[in-house]
Amino acid sequence: SQQGEEDPQALSIQEGENATMNCSYKTSINNLQWYRQNSGRGLVHLILIRSNEREKHSGRLRVTLDTSKKSSSLLITASRAADTASYFCANTGGFKTIFGAGTRLFVKA
Amino acid sequence: GAVVSQHPSRVICKSGTSVKIECRSLDFQATTMFWYRQFPKQSLMLMATSNEGSKATYEQGVEKDKFLINHASLTLSTLTVTSAHPEDSSFYICSAISSGVVTEAFFGQGTRLTVV
Repeated sequence: SQQGEEDPQALSIQEGENATMNCSYKTSINNLQWYRQNSGRGLVHLILIRSNEREKHSGRLRVTLDTSKKSSSLLITASRAADTASYFCANTGGFKTIFGAGTRLFVKA
Repeated sequence: GAVVSQHPSRVICKSGTSVKIECRSLDFQATTMFWYRQFPKQSLMLMATSNEGSKATYEQGVEKDKFLINHASLTLSTLTVTSAHPEDSSFYICSAISSGVVTEAFFGQGTRLTVV
């Protein structure tokens, strides 16, 4: 299988709560990127974390990377209804970009 | 960031016809581009790696005669879905790698293909 695993597969929370999504990957990484995708639309790049970084912030987003466990997490704080989307991690390891299975986030207003 | 343009964004075609999708890197040269397919409620699956001036490399299970890839220049790759069938209906996305200080993938907007 190409994909690493992502959990949870689906997440439903109330507006204002935090959302945490986890991603595990199979191969070594160059960097890891997180993307958002609204239903039927293209990808929106959220954040890139390099293999030598452990944590990165961008606005309400916080990404961590644990290369020893081959895992990453995306935290969205103070979620909004507009954050409802699918979120994917993508491993640019060496050359190809391989996507995780994705987490479908639903934020209830 | 770098820009990758994909065209068309939507296409509807009749079963048995062929459809061409273009992927252009607008402000950088991309010796390598990638093509992905995404079925509803699923993740993006890498179909093939498109190499400028040489043959594409296909992932296991992807029919090379079905999905023709041409990468004739450093800024353009095309994917042609030949003899399309309804099961080929999907969302196709291309990407190109920009190899600067940080290797980063940039994605096109995607093409929604519907075969009727």
